[in-house]
Amino acid sequence: AQSVAQPEDQVNVAEGNPLTVKCTYSVSGNPYLFWYVQYPNRGLQFLLKYITGDNLVKGSYGFEAEFNKSQTSFHLKKPSALVSDSALYFCAVRDQAGTALIFGKGTTLSVSS
Amino acid sequence: GAVVSQHPSWVICKSGTSVKIECRSLDFQATTMFWYRQFPKQSLMLMATSNEGSKATYEQGVEKDKFLINHASLTLSTLTVTSAHPEDSSFYICSARSLAGGYNEQFFGPGTRLTVL
Repeated sequence: AQSVAQPEDQVNVAEGNPLTVKCTYSVSGNPYLFWYVQYPNRGLQFLLKYITGDNLVKGSYGFEAEFNKSQTSFHLKKPSALVSDSALYFCAVRDQAGTALIFGKGTTLSVSS
Repeated sequence: GAVVSQHPSWVICKSGTSVKIECRSLDFQATTMFWYRQFPKQSLMLMATSNEGSKATYEQGVEKDKFLINHASLTLSTLTVTSAHPEDSSFYICSARSLAGGYNEQFFGPGTRLTVL
């Protein structure tokens, strides 16, 4: 069975500092990995995905994520955080069989000015 | 492209009534649609997977008679919450998978906030 773990309920960073939101996964076979962001009372906004190819994936709003197969991780990163990045972030995974995305519990990112 | 809409965006109903939520893929055909449920500050929990023209597959613990899903066409799926109760109050999000792109893409609707009084 597929699963996703986001070990941190909340991440706090100061504006301008780099941020990392952690994600580890478990799937049988090769994973399809995704990051989404959700603002209050809103749907999900797609940030980036890893399917194959380069381990470093660049996405929307300056975010990037690094796929690490040996550590089964797909951490979300940004070199310089903005206050407007404060939101709820979800990591998601599915296997090649094309099943539904399975989501982690979410990490609240709080960026202070 | 790849826009998924939901209607209504929010609904308030009395306990015991039924509520229908529509999910439409506006500019692509979706053979598969997924329904998720999200409680405040919690993750999205997959409720069911629906394939066009066939019965939905429900996740363990989801009552199929309470959450009726119909996927009548390649662009429309509906979720009906029957005899709603306050514990059904939640944020319901649908997602549609495109025929294109090797089934890699799953697009999400904006969600429907259901409040049962």
